[in-house]
Amino acid sequence: ILNVEQSPQSLHVQEGDSTNFTCSFPSSNFYALHWYRWETAKSPEALFVMTLNGDEKKKGRISATLNTKEGYSYLYIKGSQPEDSATYLCAPSEAAGNKLTFGGGTRVLVKP
Amino acid sequence: SQTIHQWPATLVQPVGSPLSLECTVEGTSNPNLYWYRQAAGRGLQLLFYSVGIGQISSEVPQNLSASRPQDRQFILSSKKLLLSDSGFYLCAWKLEVVNSPLHFGNGTRLTVT
Repeated sequence: ILNVEQSPQSLHVQEGDSTNFTCSFPSSNFYALHWYRWETAKSPEALFVMTLNGDEKKKGRISATLNTKEGYSYLYIKGSQPEDSATYLCAPSEAAGNKLTFGGGTRVLVKP
Repeated sequence: SQTIHQWPATLVQPVGSPLSLECTVEGTSNPNLYWYRQAAGRGLQLLFYSVGIGQISSEVPQNLSASRPQDRQFILSSKKLLLSDSGFYLCAWKLEVVNSPLHFGNGTRLTVT
């Protein structure tokens, strides 16, 4: 079973502040790294799928970077808003990209 | 456009009873299909995935089984439920392309009493 670690497990952010958190995964046999946002009472929604070392993706105030050689990805939220409150999940893929194993998630709570 | 249907939304079952959760996808062909579970206080655990009809990969030894009788149908079953089977079950699909994201159903909340 792939060992995927996300840190921190949770964080509280003041509205307007920026924050970031980490996903660590084995660097061998890498295919892709997925990021999802999971809001309460909803299903997880895809944010990014990243495949190349050094890749950077951006969606509004949220961005992500990828380092496949050392096995980590950062997710950044700029100017956090209450609607950013959610659990953020990462999942590296293996088995030719068909098998996705999720980390434990980082739960973000943005305080007004 | 593609859609995924998962039912039922909630289910309360006694210990020892059977289980059948169904998931269907519309608007795409030969999708990869997945069953995940979130137990109370835990993360999202991969249970099964399938890359084609009749092809099931089991990730965690447990009291559950999965089947894919048709291209866009994925079924999660148990012959006898345990208390530890309680949780939130999510079905998902993706294209068989490395950079394709997962698309999740609305989930089933299963409580085993």
